[in-house]
This record gives sequence, C-alpha cells and structure tokens, in this order.
Amino acid sequence: GAVVSQHPSRVICKSGTSVKIECRSLDFQATTMFWYRQFPKQSLMLMATSNEGSKATYEQGVEKDKFLINHASLTLSTLTVTSAHPEDSSFYICSAMARRAEAFFGQGTRLTVV
Amino acid sequence: AQKITQTQPGMFVQEKEAVTLDCTYDTSDQSYGLFWYKQPSSGEMIFLIYQGSYDEQNATEGRYSLNFQKARKSANLVISASQLGDSAMYFCAMREAYSGNTPLVFGKGTRLSVIA
Repeated sequence: GAVVSQHPSRVICKSGTSVKIECRSLDFQATTMFWYRQFPKQSLMLMATSNEGSKATYEQGVEKDKFLINHASLTLSTLTVTSAHPEDSSFYICSAMARRAEAFFGQGTRLTVV
Repeated sequence: AQKITQTQPGMFVQEKEAVTLDCTYDTSDQSYGLFWYKQPSSGEMIFLIYQGSYDEQNATEGRYSLNFQKARKSANLVISASQLGDSAMYFCAMREAYSGNTPLVFGKGTRLSVIA
C-alpha cells in the first residue's frame, strides 16, 4: 500500500534553533500534503495544507513565518520550525492522500525544545 | 463546517469481547468520507476503515466494522473479539470525498483499554 515516510521521528533542539521535518510519499505522487500538530492526550489539529509548487495554506492562528512549509516536488514536503521555543514542543505529523478514499500518515515527529 | 464528535474519552473492554466506539458527525456536504484511525503510544496513525457517504453497505475490515447510520449522522466503530494489542487511542475523522485538497477533520478520540 501507499507509504508516507516522515523524518526525524524524534528531535531535541535548543531554544532558538530551527528544525526541519521531512514528509515523503514513497510510492505515489502527492500534490497535496497536510501538516498536523498534536499535543499530549489531544486530537490532531490541522496546521497547514501544503500544495506542490505553490504557497502553503495555513489555518487560523498558525504563524506562517514560524512554521515554514515547502512542497518542492510531488513526493516531498518539509516543515521547518524556526526559532523554536519550548512551547513548540509537540508531536507533528504529516498526511497525504493517495486516493480520494485513503489518507496516509507519516510516522510523526516528536519535537522537544529545551 | 465539518465536525466530528466522540463522546467517550475512555472505554474498557474485556479481552475477546466486542466493543463499540461512538462517533457522530455534522456536515452540509452531500459527499463525504468517514474514517477510523488507531493511534498506539508510538504515535503512528493506523488506518482502520473507511465508509463513503454513498456506500449502501456498512464497511468491514477483518475485526473492524463501521455501523453507518446516515440519517442519524453516526459512524460507530465496532471491534469484535478484542485483543490486548487493541489498546490505543481511536480517532474518527471525515473529509469531503471528492476533493483531493481537503484535510481530515478529527474527533477528540477515545482511549480504549483492553483488559485481560
């Protein structure tokens, strides 16, 4: 079946540094990918929609300058958390639609900012 | 706007018994898809089952079945013969079925604990 690969699975970074998370569709082309954020014991909240070759669409309340999204090819979308702070610590997970009926998720990235 | 409601924060079930996880939804769309995902402690989202709004039969996938009642706007997940490995968070989600650019909207989830 369709696979979405997300890296890294865990990252610890110092406050003020930037972290890049990659989301790759391995056996299908994804013109659209979605980035979610999940706080402990909560649901997945959509952060942004990543469209290949165009600017990402951000949900209300999500800072586009802080969470940079690049979707340069049909198989790769990246999320960069810039100038990370402890409050950015969370679980980030990407998703891509292979067919209209199925959404596949990456393994997720657990970010800890110290 | 689409909305998913899961009213059971936590559920317990005895091993080998069946359990139903509730999900109701609200949408003005005529065409939509309903999903259930399992999220173990590792965080990965495991796709379980899908039901299209125009599907006349309830979806089934192994031990998982979806009790789809369109008029009541409910899409309950039934897990038969529960196993210890079924202990996890379960999320109900929906999206417009015929648009490739719409994301999934998730409910708050239900934590299922299977007891030996």
